[in-house]
Amino acid sequence: KAGVTQTPRYLIKTRGQQVTLSCSPISGHRSVSWYQQTPGQGLQFLFEYFSETQRNKGNFPGRFSGRQFSNSRSEMNVSTLELGDSALYLCASGSGTGYGYTFGSGTRLTVV
Amino acid sequence: GIQVEQSPPDLILQEGANSTLRCNFSDSVNNLQWFHQNPWGQLINLFYIPSGTKQNGRLSATTVATERYSLLYISSSQTTDSGVYFCAAGGNQFYFGTGTSLTVIP
Repeated sequence: KAGVTQTPRYLIKTRGQQVTLSCSPISGHRSVSWYQQTPGQGLQFLFEYFSETQRNKGNFPGRFSGRQFSNSRSEMNVSTLELGDSALYLCASGSGTGYGYTFGSGTRLTVV
Repeated sequence: GIQVEQSPPDLILQEGANSTLRCNFSDSVNNLQWFHQNPWGQLINLFYIPSGTKQNGRLSATTVATERYSLLYISSSQTTDSGVYFCAAGGNQFYFGTGTSLTVIP
């Protein structure tokens, strides 16, 4: 069974640009969550999608948005990038009804 | 949100030693997992354990949901056990602790 696939693995962007990250969950999983990890703030929840609907949202500005497609693949978009957005972005896949979540390898975003 | 506290923050062990990592959480949860973050950043799932006890090789975990804590036991530690261990608690949204950084020296 294939794991959670995140693309790209690494990304360098300039302040003010926007970026889109992708996450393909484990086959059959309908829940996809996104997390941001920084040295200062640790691991923080961004949002969760289940069956194409945003079910939960963390305390991030509106520049951070996401969506989920009918095949459960999810994308996360960050607009007007700031230096502080430099982080490891992790995606988690789950059935959405318990039994835990599996994380992808992450996308490391650097904003210069 | 749920507060998750992990202790100790740092741990240095001689190879072969045993250790216990603790995770306290502030509210009842439907989901609790222990992860090991590898050097490339991926969170490797160790246990899904909202309650009870589980064992997997040299690792075992116990969650006492009524008292809102979980323990991760590592026995006969190896250098490959080094890294950061995270406890995550919640429901459909995880709240993470700040992790325990484990270093196992030969």
